[in-house]
Amino acid sequence: DIQMTQSPASLSASLGETVTIECRASEDIYNGLAWYQQKPGKSPQLLIYNANSLHTGVPSRFSGSGSGTQYSLKINSLQSEDVASYFCQQYYDYPYTFGAGTKLELK
Amino acid sequence: QVTLKESGPGILQPSQTLSLTCSFSGFSLSTSGICVSWIRQPSGKGLEWLATICWEDSKGYNPSLKNRLTISKDTSNNQAFLKITSVDTADTAIYYCARRGLWALWFAYWGQGTLVTVSS
Repeated sequence: DIQMTQSPASLSASLGETVTIECRASEDIYNGLAWYQQKPGKSPQLLIYNANSLHTGVPSRFSGSGSGTQYSLKINSLQSEDVASYFCQQYYDYPYTFGAGTKLELK
Repeated sequence: QVTLKESGPGILQPSQTLSLTCSFSGFSLSTSGICVSWIRQPSGKGLEWLATICWEDSKGYNPSLKNRLTISKDTSNNQAFLKITSVDTADTAIYYCARRGLWALWFAYWGQGTLVTVSS
C-alpha cells in the first residue's frame, strides 16, 4: 500500500495568514492526489484534484502543488470558514489511501 | 443535482454482518465512467477507503479487510450496497458512500454518512 504522511497534525493560524499543509507519499504517485476539507460533523468535500486542479466552486485562495512524492495545499488569506480538518488522498493505485489529516484552528 | 444518502442498522453486535445501503439521485450507475465507493471514518480519526463498484460491475476492495467485504449495486433502484461480515468494535465508524467524478478517480460527491456502532 502507498502510505501518505501528512503534516502538521494540527495548525493554529490567524485570519488573513497563509497556511501550508504537506503530504508525502511513500512512492511516486504521479500527481494522483486530491485534497479534501471536512468541517465538524460534516462529510469531506473535494478541494483539489490531480494535485493542482481546483474543484468547481472552491475559492481561489486554495491551491495545490507538488509532484512525485511531495505535495502541498496552500490557503491564502485564511478566513474563519476555513477552520476544518484537511485530508490528502492518493488515487494513483489501489488501495486508495488517505493522510491522517490536519486540524486547522484559528489563533 | 447529485445526492447520496447512506443507511444502516445504527448498532449491531460483534460477529454479525453489517449491511449498508447508499441511495443516490442525479446520476445512474449504468452510465459509463460512473463509480460509487464506500469510505469509513472512526470517530475523531482519519478516512479509510473500503470498496468501489463501477458501471460495468468491476469492483475493488481494500485488502486490509481481507475477504470480509462485498459491494454490489441495484441500477434500477439507484442503490449501492456494502456488506461487512464478522464485525467487531474496530468497525465502529461513520460510513460514507461517495461518487467519483465522471471518468475520474477522486471523490467529487459524498453522502452525509451513517454512524455504525458495534457493541455487545
